[in-house]
Amino acid sequence: NAGVTQTPKFQVLKTGQSMTLQCAQDMNHNSMYWYRQDPGMGLRLIYYSASEGTTDKGEVPNGYNVSRLNKREFSLRLESAAPSQTSVYFCASSEFSFYEQYFGPGTRLTVT
Amino acid sequence: EDKVVQSPLSLVVHEGDTVTLNCSYEVTNFRSLLWYKQEKKAPTFLFMLTSSGIEKKSGRLSSILDKKELFSILNITATQTGDSAIYLCAVEAKRDSGGSNYKLTFGKGTLLTVNP
Repeated sequence: NAGVTQTPKFQVLKTGQSMTLQCAQDMNHNSMYWYRQDPGMGLRLIYYSASEGTTDKGEVPNGYNVSRLNKREFSLRLESAAPSQTSVYFCASSEFSFYEQYFGPGTRLTVT
Repeated sequence: EDKVVQSPLSLVVHEGDTVTLNCSYEVTNFRSLLWYKQEKKAPTFLFMLTSSGIEKKSGRLSSILDKKELFSILNITATQTGDSAIYLCAVEAKRDSGGSNYKLTFGKGTLLTVNP
C-alpha cells in the first residue's frame, strides 16, 4: 500500500517550458488535490477533484490545468512555466471532499 | 476573503514543556477545522473538528474548537524532540451558501522546536 505517490521528486524547467506532474493514490479515495507550498505563504490549493470526472479551481489556479484521468490518478500541468511557479507541489487525496487528507511526498520545482 | 491566522509563528521549548498553539479564523459557511503536522516533507493529518467544545485527543496531543469565538487550540503535553515540526491549521467552508463546492484555507503554520 504505497498511499499517495508523486513524480517527479525534483524538476528544473526553463521559463516557457511545459511539464506535467503526476499523482496516483491506491486508497480508493474519491477526492484528490493539488497544493503548492511557498515560504511564508503556507499551503495553497491550486485545483481539486471532489470525485472522478469533476475538477474545481482552488485558491491559485492561474497558469495550471488538471486532469482527473481516473479514480487513481490526478495530474497537474504547467503549460508555460514561469519563475513565479517555483515551489514545492503536493498532491493529496481523501475519502470525501476535504476530509482527512493524505499527502504525497512532494515535487520540488524550480523555474529559471 | 477567508482568513486563517495561526499564532505564534514560531516557538522554542524544552523537552517536557507543554505548548498551546492557536488558530483563529474568519470564514463564511464553516464546515470543519483540521490540524496537520509537517515534518521534513508532507503534512500528516492530526485532527478534524466540527463541533464546539468537544475535545479530540491522541496521546499527548489534544485539540478543541470554539465556533462562537472562531478559534481552535492544539495542546501538546510533555513535549519530545520528535514533536518538532510545523503545525498547520486549515478551515473548510462552503464556497457559497447555496452551493455544494467546498474550499480549504490553510494558515501559515506554527514552527515548533523542542530542544533536549
